[in-house]
Amino acid sequence: NAGVMQNPRHLVRRRGQEARLRCSPMKGHSHVYWYRQLPEEGLKFMVYLQKENIIDESGMPKERFSAEFPKEGPSILRIQQVVRGDSAAYFCASSPEGGGNIQYFGAGTRLSVL
Amino acid sequence: AQSVTQLGSHVSVSEGALVLLRCNYSSSVPPYLFWYVQYPNQGLQLLLKYTSAATLVKGINGFEAEFKKSETSFHLTKPSAHMSDAAEYFCAVSDLSGTASKLTFGTGTRLQVTL
Repeated sequence: NAGVMQNPRHLVRRRGQEARLRCSPMKGHSHVYWYRQLPEEGLKFMVYLQKENIIDESGMPKERFSAEFPKEGPSILRIQQVVRGDSAAYFCASSPEGGGNIQYFGAGTRLSVL
Repeated sequence: AQSVTQLGSHVSVSEGALVLLRCNYSSSVPPYLFWYVQYPNQGLQLLLKYTSAATLVKGINGFEAEFKKSETSFHLTKPSAHMSDAAEYFCAVSDLSGTASKLTFGTGTRLQVTL
């Protein structure tokens, strides 16, 4: 039973490019969450999705960031026109329906913006 | 809104000594509380969770935490530290009790274990 899979593990982009981060939840999990961790800080919630629906995007920056969780395939966190301040570790978590909100985390994608 | 405060960004203990990592929470609803551990360059691993059942919760790797409503605390303890416990520890509170929702994390406590 594979865990939460994120790819790539490391991503390097130049300022102005686009970054696409992928997350495949654990089998049978229908809830996906994205968190961002800045250096020496805790995790900050970004967005919570279910299949084809955004449930809570209260932590998403208003511009350049978007997320989706299509009916088929992984969840995608997309950052357009990246800036140096976007450099961080981005973690995806998933939870099952009725799981008491126990979230299982992937290993993260470390984005570096040059 | 929920929040979590972790006192002490760095804690150092000797191998074999008691580990105590502090967490205080603020919640407008009965909280669901979690402790996660993060090893370098890895994701978060769930240590234990409080979900309104027993106030003393036992987790993996010999860790346990006690929920104290009167003190709004959920401190993490381990009787005897091991070198492999060196990592960063995060306390988190669920936005909604028992329902899928965002977690609010503390800023973390880095545990160092010395010989």
